Amino acid sequence: AQTVTQSQPEMSVQEAETVTLSCTYDTSENNYYLFWYKQPPSRQMILVIRQEAYKQQNATENRFSVNFQKAAKSFSLKISDSQLGDTAMYFCAFMNNNAGNMLTFGGGTRLMVKP
Amino acid sequence: GAVVSQHPSWVICKSGTSVKIECRSLDFQATTMFWYRQFPKQSLMLMATSNEGSKATYEQGVEKDKFLINHASLTLSTLTVTSAHPEDSSFYICSASSRGQGTSYEQYFGPGTRLTVT
Repeated sequence: AQTVTQSQPEMSVQEAETVTLSCTYDTSENNYYLFWYKQPPSRQMILVIRQEAYKQQNATENRFSVNFQKAAKSFSLKISDSQLGDTAMYFCAFMNNNAGNMLTFGGGTRLMVKP
Repeated sequence: GAVVSQHPSWVICKSGTSVKIECRSLDFQATTMFWYRQFPKQSLMLMATSNEGSKATYEQGVEKDKFLINHASLTLSTLTVTSAHPEDSSFYICSASSRGQGTSYEQYFGPGTRLTVT
C-alpha cells in the first residue's frame, strides 16, 4: 500500500514571498502520478499541478512548481509570489498507474498567506 | 469541460432516516466514480470506488450496507446513507474519471455535500 506524508500541518507566508510545501511518499511501484490539490474555504478540490513519474523534468504551472525527487520519493510544491487567494489547505496525492485511478492523499498542509 | 456536480450541497436529516446524495458528470462520461469522506481539518478518506454497471468496491472499515452506492449510468452515481446517525455527519465528496477525458487518469471533483444528522 502507498502512503503519503505531509510533515507540515500549518504554514504561513507573507504576500509576494515564496513558500515550499513538503510531501514524501512510499511506494514500490515505478509507474505512478503525483498531484497537488488546493482546497480553499469553499472546500472545492482544485488541481494545482501534476507530475508523471516517468518524466524527469519538474512540472510548472505559472507560479506553482514542483521539485520531484524520485529516488528520494519526495514531491514538494513551491508557490512563488504568494497571493492572498492562495490561502487554503493543500493536499499531496499519489496515484498508482495500475490501480484504477485511485488517489491516496496526504494529511494536508494549511497555508495562510498574510498581507 | 470536466465538470462534476453534487446535490444537495447541504442536507440536514434526523437520526434514523436515510439520505441520498447525487454525483453527476455534466460534460463527460464517467467510467469510474469515487466517494470520499472528509472530517473537519482532516484529509479525504476514500470510502468506495464504483464503475458503471458494476458493484462498488468499498474500502476497509466502510460499511457497505450503511453507505449504499449506485453507479447506474455513465453520468450519475448516488450515495445513500441509510439509518443515519450523528456520527455520520461529515463532508462527502465525489469525484469522477474517464478514459479519454482530458488526461485519462485524472479525477474531477464535485463541490461536496455537507451532511448534518440531528
